[in-house]
Amino acid sequence: DQQVKQNSPSLSVQEGRISILNCDYTNSMFDYFLWYKKYPAEGPTFLISISSIKDKNEDGRFTVFLNKSAKHLSLHIVPSQPGDSAVYFCAASVGGANNLFFGTGTRLTVIP
Amino acid sequence: EPEVTQTPSHQVTQMGQEVILRCVPISNHLYFYWYRQILGQKVEFLVSFYNNEISEKSEIFDDQFSVERPDGSNFTLKIRSTKLEDSAMYFCASSVKGLANTGELFFGEGSRLTVL
Repeated sequence: DQQVKQNSPSLSVQEGRISILNCDYTNSMFDYFLWYKKYPAEGPTFLISISSIKDKNEDGRFTVFLNKSAKHLSLHIVPSQPGDSAVYFCAASVGGANNLFFGTGTRLTVIP
Repeated sequence: EPEVTQTPSHQVTQMGQEVILRCVPISNHLYFYWYRQILGQKVEFLVSFYNNEISEKSEIFDDQFSVERPDGSNFTLKIRSTKLEDSAMYFCASSVKGLANTGELFFGEGSRLTVL
C-alpha cells in the first residue's frame, strides 16, 4: 500500500546546480507534507514542511512545492552542495492523525 | 542541541526471544513514536504514544509489540517473541506537538535488530 511514492531511487547533480526531488501521493486526505533527510547510520532529520493550504514554502536553499490537483510535491535545493548528499524522504499525514506515511526515499548525490 | 537517543545501536537475537529497545526522547517533548525500516524498504509507522497511552498504532503493531514509558525519561518498545521478519532498523522519535498540530518529529539514530 504505497500511499506516498518516490519513483526516483537516485539522483546525481553537479555542485551549484539545482536538485529537484519528486514525490507523488494517492491519498487525497493528506493535508500536511514533510521532507526528511537521512545520512547513513543516522535517523531521519526534518528538513521542511508544507500545509495543504499552501502551494510553496521556502527555507533558505530549500523550497517545497505542492500541486494538490496533481497530488504531487517536489523539493528544490538551490544551489546544491556536496553536504546535501543523503537520502531524502517525502512524508505525509492526515489531519488529526499522529502517524507519518513515508516514501521509499531518493538518494541524492551532489558531485563536487 | 537536544537529541533523541536510542540503545542498543545493534542487537542480534534468536527467533522467539524477547527484545526491548530503549529510547530517551527530548526532555520537553510530549509525543513519542516508534517507526521501523526493513532493509531496502520505506520507513513505516508502528505506534504513537501520548499522555501515557497509545494514541495510534498501525497494523504492524500487533500483540507481540508493546510500548511503555516506565519513568519520566525512557520510552521502550518490547517485542515479545521475535520473528525473522522483525529484523529492521527501529527508529524512536519525539515531538513537542502531535502531527495534528504540525509538529515535526525528531528521530533517534535507530536500533538495528537482527533476528536469526
